[in-house]
Amino acid sequence: ETGVTQTPRHLVMGMTNKKSLKCEQHLGHNAMYWYKQSAKKPLELMFVYSLEERVENNSVPSRFSPECPNSSHLFLHLHTLQPEDSALYLCASSQDLAVNYGYTFGSGTRLTVV
Amino acid sequence: GENVEQHPSTLSVQEGDSAVIKCTYSDSASNYFPWYKQELGKGPQLIIDIRSNVGEKKDQRIAVTLNKTAKHFSLHITETQPEDSAVYFCAASLNSNYQLIWGAGTKLIIKP
Repeated sequence: ETGVTQTPRHLVMGMTNKKSLKCEQHLGHNAMYWYKQSAKKPLELMFVYSLEERVENNSVPSRFSPECPNSSHLFLHLHTLQPEDSALYLCASSQDLAVNYGYTFGSGTRLTVV
Repeated sequence: GENVEQHPSTLSVQEGDSAVIKCTYSDSASNYFPWYKQELGKGPQLIIDIRSNVGEKKDQRIAVTLNKTAKHFSLHITETQPEDSAVYFCAASLNSNYQLIWGAGTKLIIKP
């Protein structure tokens, strides 16, 4: 394990379902991120949290709702998704809110919307 | 805004040969350039980075070079091994920023 744990690893959901992705880190990092990874495209930053406060919401549709209850946990709540939302969703953490600290990524949740 | 182009999208090399992946960036203010490696079923992992105050950095079999004038940087892997097979991502940013601008990735295939 990399230090960042994501569950579930795979998720299939219908367009009317509600589900949540979970991310957990025990590295003592202060910043956490949600990324969307689609095939042959650059990683897309979705949300950024620093010390449990949302710093960035990168024009993400409201059907994605993040939650950061404490500095070790990050959730992504999903509802009424579209098939084009199918992708690998990656959680990452970093020591602090600057890229030169380096990101530690989880292994991702492979989401399929049917 | 910043844009990062990465080439090639797929690279196949014979085991033991060298591999080179190239990236160009658009924002001359960028000063931090990391490379991440993503193995199958895993998230990306930082393997090496370079800041704009140096032109080259090495770590065992991998090296990164930076040409600020031309706004491009490259990853060099020598004596490639099967475990080097992965997708490699370049990125660029200001080192004080929290958002990386990513390339689209290069799938490196090491042929036995």
